[in-house]
Amino acid sequence: QVQLQESGPGLVKPSETLSLTCAVSGYSISSGYYWSWIRQSPGKGLEWIATIYHSGITYYNPSLRSRVTISVDTSKNQFSLNLSSVTDADTAVYYCARYVVGTASFYFDYWGQGTLVTVAS
Amino acid sequence: QSALTQPPSASGSPGQSVTISCTGTSSDVGGYNYVSWYQHHPGKAPKLMIYEVTKRPSGVPDRFSGSKSGNTASLTVSGLQAEDEADYYCSSYAGNNYVFGTGTKVTVL
Repeated sequence: QVQLQESGPGLVKPSETLSLTCAVSGYSISSGYYWSWIRQSPGKGLEWIATIYHSGITYYNPSLRSRVTISVDTSKNQFSLNLSSVTDADTAVYYCARYVVGTASFYFDYWGQGTLVTVAS
Repeated sequence: QSALTQPPSASGSPGQSVTISCTGTSSDVGGYNYVSWYQHHPGKAPKLMIYEVTKRPSGVPDRFSGSKSGNTASLTVSGLQAEDEADYYCSSYAGNNYVFGTGTKVTVL
């Protein structure tokens, strides 16, 4: 069974960088699939942030591209998110998920439980 | 890219059916057969219920079904059960982006 677990600071100061890690178990990242970050701000819907392939190919939400970096560490079977220059608008529950991409497929089949990150001084 | 539009809430009694709509544009829902639906119980990991508009992953009851017409996709839950009470989100591939719906809270009366 594939499992994902987010980790990182629950509180980040404005203008600083938010850093999260997603540990994957039950599947080797280097075997394939794409891996993504998604967030949900309080009272709002879900927002896709970024996606990475095990080879390092990346895709970013155009609205966040300038502040986001996604990376993968296949030796630790985990991938990470950095979001710079955060404001209170970045307060959200952050989820990591496995992203299925095929000739006719685009969906997230496994998700972590999410981690709340609050931006406040 | 704007979020897909869903009704904020839907409800039904046990055994009844409820249908949730998801309206986008020709750049997302209408342009691709890549609509998926997720069930989310607060505090838990979202769960994939439908992918590629109509397909159900292994383990998802056949009470859940999906469809699409033009720029609007729909999720129908038949034979409502107490455990179906949750938030539901649609989503769609959108070229260089991936968009989610605004979410619908389903209440089992």
